[in-house]
Amino acid sequence: GAVVSQHPSWVICKSGTSVKIECRSLDFQATTMFWYRQFPKQSLMLMATSNEGSKATYEQGVEKDKFLINHASLTLSTLTVTSAHPEDSSFYICSALADPNQPQHFGDGTRLSIL
Amino acid sequence: AQSVTQLGSHVSVSEGALVLLRCNYSSSVPPYLFWYVQYPNQGLQLLLKYTSAATLVKGINGFEAEFKKSETSFHLTKPSAHMSDAAEYFCAVSEGNQGGKLIFGQGTELSVKP
Repeated sequence: GAVVSQHPSWVICKSGTSVKIECRSLDFQATTMFWYRQFPKQSLMLMATSNEGSKATYEQGVEKDKFLINHASLTLSTLTVTSAHPEDSSFYICSALADPNQPQHFGDGTRLSIL
Repeated sequence: AQSVTQLGSHVSVSEGALVLLRCNYSSSVPPYLFWYVQYPNQGLQLLLKYTSAATLVKGINGFEAEFKKSETSFHLTKPSAHMSDAAEYFCAVSEGNQGGKLIFGQGTELSVKP
């Protein structure tokens, strides 16, 4: 089955640093990847939609300069949280799409903790 | 605009009892509907999906859901709960096609008592 890998699974870093999270589709090519954010005990909130080779489309209220998304290949999208602060601490989940007529495949998420 | 409402943020059942998790949706076009399960510190796993082929959808782990257009509902059921079913469950609707942008419900935490 379709496998999506996220790395790292858990990261702790100091306030002010930038953190990069990778999302890879291991056995299929993903023309579209999605990035979600999930606060404790809450639902998933779509942050942006990423299409290979083009700029990401951000949801309303999501800071483009804060959350940089790059989708340079058909198997890799990255989310960089720039100058991270404690309020950016959250669970970040990506998903990848092989075929628009099939459901998204989700990664296992990245727990980001900013001290 | 599409939306999803899950009634009950927390449901508790005894092992072996019926599981019923409620989901109502709002959509101006025929929807694609999904149920996902999330275990702690993990991503989402697809349980089942409705794509207009059949109103009663069977999924993995013994779960099923019935699409009722007249009630705009897509409730998730399982005849007999197992301890391993304890998790967070999300109902979601997609715009346009199965792979479209997902709009999630608030989630329902299922607890299973021995």
